[in-house]
Amino acid sequence: DTGVSQNPRHKITKRGQNVTFRCDPISEHNRLYWYRQTLGQGPEFLTYFQNEAQLEKSRLLSDRFSAERPKGSFSTLEIQRTEQGDSAMYLCASSLGNFVSTDTQYFGPGTRLTVL
Amino acid sequence: SQQGEEDPQALSIQEGENATMNCSYKTSINNLQWYRQNSGRGLVHLILIRSNEREKHSGRLRVTLDTSKKSSSLLITASRAADTASYFCATDGRKLIFGQGTELSVKP
Repeated sequence: DTGVSQNPRHKITKRGQNVTFRCDPISEHNRLYWYRQTLGQGPEFLTYFQNEAQLEKSRLLSDRFSAERPKGSFSTLEIQRTEQGDSAMYLCASSLGNFVSTDTQYFGPGTRLTVL
Repeated sequence: SQQGEEDPQALSIQEGENATMNCSYKTSINNLQWYRQNSGRGLVHLILIRSNEREKHSGRLRVTLDTSKKSSSLLITASRAADTASYFCATDGRKLIFGQGTELSVKP
């Protein structure tokens, strides 16, 4: 399977704990994106990387959230001191990142986070 | 904030009928994309239409784009039960901005 993969698929944690999610993009894709989706809503942009550089962060990404893409390949999204409001599906996507007019993002299956 | 707004929010049809979903957006775009999401799963890219295109076809899908009205429509012809999903439009750029989606239910 050469699609975007995310691990874990499900995570249940207690409030106050730290969690880390991993995303492996499609190989040779330069751009990697993180989105958050809550029930009944469309995905909301969190941040994106061009290779290893984090180029944009949403205001949704509070200080408790940090994302890395150290070697320009896989990425991790860490949430510190989780809150119940962090419960959501966290989606990762990747794209070639060449031409804006045709740059298609391909999504992974998501990590569903439940904070108790 | 969400740029795209899909209409209707929910649509229920019989298998074999056509389904039309609309999307309106607020600012100028380079392209508009439609995605499908089955319950609780990731998004699947369906089709991308560039701002200089007016219509595009892919299998049973037909997408139109009217940049003067800042709107797009997705038509699914001869629907199947497997088309049951949520459909989102998303506008372009480095980050996709999604609407709330149209929940399509196709009854066998």
